[in-house]
Amino acid sequence: LAKTTQPISMDSYEGQEVNITCSHNNIATNDYITWYQQFPSQGPRFIIQGYKTKVTNEVASLFIPADRKSSTLSLPRVSLSDTAVYYCLVGESYGGQNFVFGPGTRLSVLP
Amino acid sequence: KAGVTQTPRYLIKTRGQQVTLSCSPISGHRSVSWYQQTPGQGLQFLFEYFSETQRNKGNFPGRFSGRQFSNSRSEMNVSTLELGDSALYLCASSRPETGGSYEQYFGPGTRLTVT
Repeated sequence: LAKTTQPISMDSYEGQEVNITCSHNNIATNDYITWYQQFPSQGPRFIIQGYKTKVTNEVASLFIPADRKSSTLSLPRVSLSDTAVYYCLVGESYGGQNFVFGPGTRLSVLP
Repeated sequence: KAGVTQTPRYLIKTRGQQVTLSCSPISGHRSVSWYQQTPGQGLQFLFEYFSETQRNKGNFPGRFSGRQFSNSRSEMNVSTLELGDSALYLCASSRPETGGSYEQYFGPGTRLTVT
């Protein structure tokens, strides 16, 4: 599995756009990039997944450059309820799944 | 569609005892993975079951075991409990046969406390 690197923590204010970048220099051809959100004492929740270019859903956008060695999760107009830990994972599902969660990015949204 | 359910939600055990945790995946999901989460080590992968077979295993001692039934429900067992086994145990289900998707759906977890 490709190793990922993310900032340990980030602070933002309500209403701002937050961008969290993840580095994955050794991403493989078949790997997808997936982001999860976790609140305290809850299981992680899937946010978004992409392979290349840009993906957008009702919650976030995911930007992936052509070389796919990094990706950026964009959360538009965050609110206090977006305070959570965000994990970036890289891998493929075929042949079995073996998640390696890094420490994630702890996002704190301030009023 | 009902989400992943885990039972029990909370458990207190004594060192040396054994414990069994249960997980019911989302209907139609055939892959079930188990994770341990502690403040010090973060989220760590235990093992994955697919079609009643263990397909992947993390780096945990043999005291940690699991199984999956024909209806995809899964159980994990920890024998000879140690204080360090106190953690939130998370179960996640997915449909890996859809291809290219690394999306897992996590349950609420079982909080195990070993005294």
